[in-house]
Amino acid sequence: GESVGLHLPTLSVQEGDNSIINCAYSNSASDYFIWYKQESGKGPQFIIDIRSNMDKRQGQRVTVLLNKTVKHLSLQIAATQPGDSAVYFCASETSGSRLTFGEGTQLTVNP
Amino acid sequence: DGGITQSPKYLFRKEGQNVTLSCEQNLNHDAMYWYRQDPGQGLRLIYYSQIVNDFQKGDIAEGYSVSREKKESFPLTVTSAQKNPTAFYLCASSARYTSYEQYFGPGTRLTVT
Repeated sequence: GESVGLHLPTLSVQEGDNSIINCAYSNSASDYFIWYKQESGKGPQFIIDIRSNMDKRQGQRVTVLLNKTVKHLSLQIAATQPGDSAVYFCASETSGSRLTFGEGTQLTVNP
Repeated sequence: DGGITQSPKYLFRKEGQNVTLSCEQNLNHDAMYWYRQDPGQGLRLIYYSQIVNDFQKGDIAEGYSVSREKKESFPLTVTSAQKNPTAFYLCASSARYTSYEQYFGPGTRLTVT
């Protein structure tokens, strides 16, 4: 069945370093992918999205890369700050326009 | 100030009681969703609604019920049939059913003892 997963459940980086969070998906027909950030006890917040006709999309300090050949996407955060500490989820669009979420990666930024 | 509100933030119930979680949005969005989140896990879809007076089961609908009588409101009832109801519940909405970006509320943490 459809699944979306992340390669690592936790990631620890030093403040100022770049962070890379990875995600694999199983449905080659997925047309849309999205990254969310969730701080403890709060609802997820939109970070960036990308459609399957693109390989790369950049936002403010964030970049999403999509490799459809190996069904993999990644979120890169430049110059990671303490405020970036949170759980990051990837999600992919499935049939019927639903989103399937991965389990999340806990990013910890050390000062 | 547009957004999604969920109330209450924390909810405590005794086993065997039904409980209704509130979700309201003033974004004029057509579609609304309910997710369940357990510790260390991703979001699992309970129910969703594309339009007023219409809703569909998600992946884990057993023990839950919803209604969509108004565009702004999508309440979720956790019934006594739900075997493991303690969880963090998140409501979301999107502009149209084919607009994939979903906006989330702050969540309700339900504890059933």
